[in-house]
Amino acid sequence: EPEVTQTPSHQVTQMGQEVILRCVPISNHLYFYWYRQILGQKVEFLVSFYNNEISEKSEIFDDQFSVERPDGSNFTLKIRSTKLEDSAMYFCARTATEKGTEAFFGQGTRLTVV
Amino acid sequence: AQTVTQSQPEMSVQEAETVTLSCTYDTSESDYYLFWYKQPPSRQMILVIRQEAYKQQNATENRFSVNFQKAAKSFSLKISDSQLGDAAMYFCAYREMYSGGGADGLTFGKGTHLIIQP
Repeated sequence: EPEVTQTPSHQVTQMGQEVILRCVPISNHLYFYWYRQILGQKVEFLVSFYNNEISEKSEIFDDQFSVERPDGSNFTLKIRSTKLEDSAMYFCARTATEKGTEAFFGQGTRLTVV
Repeated sequence: AQTVTQSQPEMSVQEAETVTLSCTYDTSESDYYLFWYKQPPSRQMILVIRQEAYKQQNATENRFSVNFQKAAKSFSLKISDSQLGDAAMYFCAYREMYSGGGADGLTFGKGTHLIIQP
């Protein structure tokens, strides 16, 4: 099964600016996830999204983060006011079914906050 | 909260030889999933192998196999006949089998950097 596609592959933004990271899924995918990996560190779960609602979120996913899936197409992660420490790789992932176990990852978006 | 520990920051192996990467985890659950993911320099996360905790048989995928010891909460990855393309970061990950919301995230270890020497 194909992984999801993420855009852009790399984004540079000024501190304090808003960024939107996009994930383009296959239409029958139900569960979506965002993960973050700060350079040299482990991958951390941010949020899961099912049936157009947040299913679970980690303590990292604070008020500056939001997710949505407008008109059932792209799945987006918005960071409202970026900080230097938001610089990281952001991965979108999906599982195909309710009982799906494997998470298949996109290629990631490298976010650099300057 | 679940934790995943990979105690080997870096491992090195000669091409064509066998290497084992260690992973331990802590959970109070009896049913869960365990995974190994590979992250090459491109930084994409690639699923290598998975194991259901209720299965006693160790999972195998070609040259990759696991040694799952449920009582010891250990989940090691063995790579046989190592190839240059196996060079990457390897992450062990855990996921609960059941959750109220139906979509729990993965908990990852810090990773092991595998070097293949030609």
